[in-house]
This record gives sequence, structure tokens and C-alpha cells, in this order.
Amino acid sequence: EAQVTQNPRYLITVTGKKLTVTCSQNMNHEYMSWYRQDPGLGLRQIYYSMNVEVTDKGDVPEGYKVSRKEKRNFPLILESPSPNQTSLYFCASSLSVGGYTEAFFGQGTRLTVV
Amino acid sequence: AQTVTQSQPEMSVQEAETVTLSCTYDTSESDYYLFWYKQPPSRQMILVIRQEAYKQQNATENRFSVNFQKAAKSFSLKISDSQLGDAAMYFCALKMYSGGGADGLTFGKGTHLIIQP
Repeated sequence: EAQVTQNPRYLITVTGKKLTVTCSQNMNHEYMSWYRQDPGLGLRQIYYSMNVEVTDKGDVPEGYKVSRKEKRNFPLILESPSPNQTSLYFCASSLSVGGYTEAFFGQGTRLTVV
Repeated sequence: AQTVTQSQPEMSVQEAETVTLSCTYDTSESDYYLFWYKQPPSRQMILVIRQEAYKQQNATENRFSVNFQKAAKSFSLKISDSQLGDAAMYFCALKMYSGGGADGLTFGKGTHLIIQP
């Protein structure tokens, strides 16, 4: 089954404790991205990757890191989480960045930083 | 940069009635795609309908249809014969055809749709 898998789905952590949210897709997609969703703000892009070893900042990259060492995986790293990073996070992938290619979303990760 | 505006934070409709969700957008490009996504309480993002900007014909998917007005930069979603399962957050989104850069999906803030039984 074609899918984007995020883990964990729920995470509660303390300020400053490094964490990683994993994202994996099994569709051989080139383009992957991370979004955060906050009430009243919709979804905003954090980082994106157009292919292996090619990553760039989205609209709200502060406090986040990503890596793309393999085509299928695109982890989101919070080196020193803060309470303002409490949010719902989505990973998404699509076949390519240009033209019409449907975006497939993971099931979301609810992160709470206390 | 492009923007997407959903001016209705919340809408309510009686079951079996028709409801229209509004969306306006702004972009300087002429080639792009527009989408409506549904997010039920499960949080899953589900693609409802899409529209290619170069197509004049409005897209339709069963009970869901859009009114795409390119000159006005308007993209509303009409849900006919509303069902309880339609209750969700709905997001309007824009994607550039050219891709590149941070041109992933640009989302509106969402409209929470309530279906009254």
C-alpha cells in the first residue's frame, strides 16, 4: 500500500530535549516536505527536499533541522525544543515538485513541549 | 509569494442541505493548481477535489464541486446533500505549476464545517 508513515503519532517532551520525528514513504517520491499545523494558522511549510541531499527552508524553519540521506526518509529534528513548537506536524511526499503531482500526507504527529 | 485566504472560520449546515465554503488566493503566476483538503477528527489530510488553473471547466467529484473564477482569484467549494461524515476542517490550498523553491502547497487557515442532524 502506498503510504507516508510518520512516527511517533503522539509525543510529549520537555524543553531542550532533542527529538526526531521520522517520516518514510514507499512510493519512490522525489519531493518531501514537513508542515506544522496550528489553530487559526492552517498548515505552514517548515522544510522541503527536492531529492537526496537537497533540502531547503520553507516558511517557518527556525528551530528545526532535516536531512535526506535516503530517498524514502526525511526526518524532522528538533535540537532544543521549546513550548512554541507544540503543534501538529505533517510529512508529505509527491512524485516531483513541478507540474501536478498529488501530495500524500502522513497521519500527523502531535507534539507537546512542556 | 502566494497567499490563500479562507474568510469563514466556521460554517454550519443542516444535513442534506447544500453549503459553500469560500476561498480566495493571490499569485502573480498564471499556471497553478488549486485544491480542497478535508481533515476529519482523525487528522488525516484527504484530497477532496483539485482544479487546474488552465481549465475553464469547474471540477466535480460526486457531491463536491468547485466554482473557479480565475480573474477574481476565487475558488469556492460546494457540498451538496451534506452528510454527517462531511463534518471536518476544510483547507483550500494552492500549488504553483513550475515548482521549485518553497513551492509546495500554500494553505488557507481552514474552515470548520459542522453538520447539524
